[in-house]
Amino acid sequence: DIVMTQSPLSLSVTPGEPASISCRSTQSLQHSNGKIFFSWYLLKPGQSPQVLIYLGSNRASGVPDRFSGSRSGTDFTLKISRVEAEDVGVYYCMQGLQTPYTFGQGTKLEIK
Amino acid sequence: EVQLVESGGGLVQPGGSLRLSCAASGYTFSTYWMHWVRQVPGRGLVWVARINEDGSTTTYADSVRGRFTISRDNARNTLYLQMNSLRADDTSVYYCIRDLAGGQDFWGQGTLVTVSS
Repeated sequence: DIVMTQSPLSLSVTPGEPASISCRSTQSLQHSNGKIFFSWYLLKPGQSPQVLIYLGSNRASGVPDRFSGSRSGTDFTLKISRVEAEDVGVYYCMQGLQTPYTFGQGTKLEIK
Repeated sequence: EVQLVESGGGLVQPGGSLRLSCAASGYTFSTYWMHWVRQVPGRGLVWVARINEDGSTTTYADSVRGRFTISRDNARNTLYLQMNSLRADDTSVYYCIRDLAGGQDFWGQGTLVTVSS
């Protein structure tokens, strides 16, 4: 199975400040068709998960542009340029290249 | 508006069975892969199973293979998860998801399954 390792596991950020979450996979997530099957999700309290970034670095519809995703090999980064109060929750990375799809452990973002 | 509405969760004894349903609306159900993912409350997300557009291909996590069956009825725009031989560690919120990882992700609100005597 592909293992996804996130860091940090918790983050406390002042509103307006940037934040960054990392995720590393144990193997390349690039399909033979060139697509990168990697996503970022946010699970807000009391809600179902929502996709933030899909296929490596594409921002999902309706996601604020303060969220961005990048990749360097098997290392992925989610950046929030200016954290807002509504960004609290648990962030998960996930690989969808091969089954079983696997998630990172989650990163809990809190507001200072 | 896309909607995925899960139902069928509840309390069941160890060894028992449940069937979850996920009613889809607002899009052409038959043109997307569908998935089930679960989350133990307060813990991480775990992929459970997937099914292709016409139901001819299914894949399962090792932890549920042989006990759970994913299926779909495209005429009724409904996804199912038949869960047999339930164990305490199957206790989770179960989510149905359209096109997981494919770029058209959409998650339902989840349904809680509790396995306890």
